[in-house]
Order: sequence, then C-alpha cells, then structure tokens
Amino acid sequence: DTEVTQTPKHLVMGMTNKKSLKCEQHMGHRAMYWYKQKAKKPPELMFVYSYEKLSINESVPSRFSPECPNSSLLNLHLHALQPEDSALYLCASSQDEQAPLMTEAFFGQGTRLTVV
Amino acid sequence: SQQGEEDPQALSIQEGENATMNCSYKTSINNLQWYRQNSGRGLVHLILIRSNEREKHSGRLRVTLDTSKKSSSLLITASRAADTASYFCAPVGTGFQKLVFGTGTRLLVSP
Repeated sequence: DTEVTQTPKHLVMGMTNKKSLKCEQHMGHRAMYWYKQKAKKPPELMFVYSYEKLSINESVPSRFSPECPNSSLLNLHLHALQPEDSALYLCASSQDEQAPLMTEAFFGQGTRLTVV
Repeated sequence: SQQGEEDPQALSIQEGENATMNCSYKTSINNLQWYRQNSGRGLVHLILIRSNEREKHSGRLRVTLDTSKKSSSLLITASRAADTASYFCAPVGTGFQKLVFGTGTRLLVSP
C-alpha cells in the first residue's frame, strides 16, 4: 500500500466554523507533512512531523493547528479561517528514519478548501 | 535558500517532441527530486538523483545533475498529451531538511 489518503476531498466552511482535515498512511513512514497550494503556485510547506513530534512550523498562523495522534495519522484543525485561506491542502509522508528525505515523498490527492 | 528555481516557467510542445526543463539551486545537496502534478491533484514522485550521480533514467525520463553548476535537468522524450502537467524540482540538503518546491514548469503537450 503506497497510498496517502486525505479526507475530505472538498470542504466548504464559514469563517466561524471549526473543521479538520485528515491524512492517513500505512507505509510505516515516520515523517508527515502539510502543504498549502494556491492556484498556479507551488506547494508551500506548512508543518513537518517527525516521529509524531512537530519538528517544523513554517510560521503558520495559529488558526491552523496540526496534530499527529499516531504514526499513521495526521490532522489539520481549522478554526476562524479567512477567505484567503482557500486553497488545496496536501499531505505527504516519507520514510525519514535515519536519513531524512533520502527517499521519495508520497502525496495525497489533497483537500480543496473553500472559506466563505 | 534550499528552494529550486525551474526554467522555463511554461513550455508548449507537440506530441512526439522532447521536453526539457531545468532546475537551479543555491546550496549543497544530498539529492534532488523531481515531481509531477496534474491539474488540481497531488504530486507524484518521478525521479530522485543523488549528489554522487550524474544521470538517471526512468522510462521516457532522463535526469541529469551537475553539482558544480548547481543545476539539474529533466528530459521527457517522445512526449504524450498525458504528460501535460506541472513539474517541480526539490533540492534536498544534508541533515534534516524540508521538501521545498520551486515555482515549477507548466508543460502543455498538444495532440
């Protein structure tokens, strides 16, 4: 199984809503990532988890809150978002045991988020 | 910055032609990875080339790496309409590094 599964595929939420994005992989990967991608732009790294601990936060606003409950799951909790947060949110994972990023990263198909 | 910079930003060719896109970077790398993204979908890993390798092939893909010039190129031979996508390079440095993508090359292959 070389899949990274993201749910939901599409999400529309109001600015006062609280929602969560979910990401799951069963490849035994120990590094997991959240990216944000606006139209016609490259994916921008948001967070990196290594061995279930947050290792990188790219100065992301606190209205985005990541969580890694176990080695297979990664969540992104959303609260009080703005319309400009509308984007494709991508999750990825990689082996990352002794030599980070020595191997490929696997990406999910993303969640298309619209904030109204 | 670890980020790569792709050139050209956009490329339009006919089916059967070859497509070449380039990536330049600024720091020393452990490896360099190429990914493809079809419109609005996730990224798919194409090739990883390590710093001690100069060339690597995978099917119709050929990647070269010149560490002295801090550059890499991706060649797609005999292109197909299905190759239409955005292509991103990601130079990976030593130690724990982030997978950071450049601006990408948007490839359009017309039938």
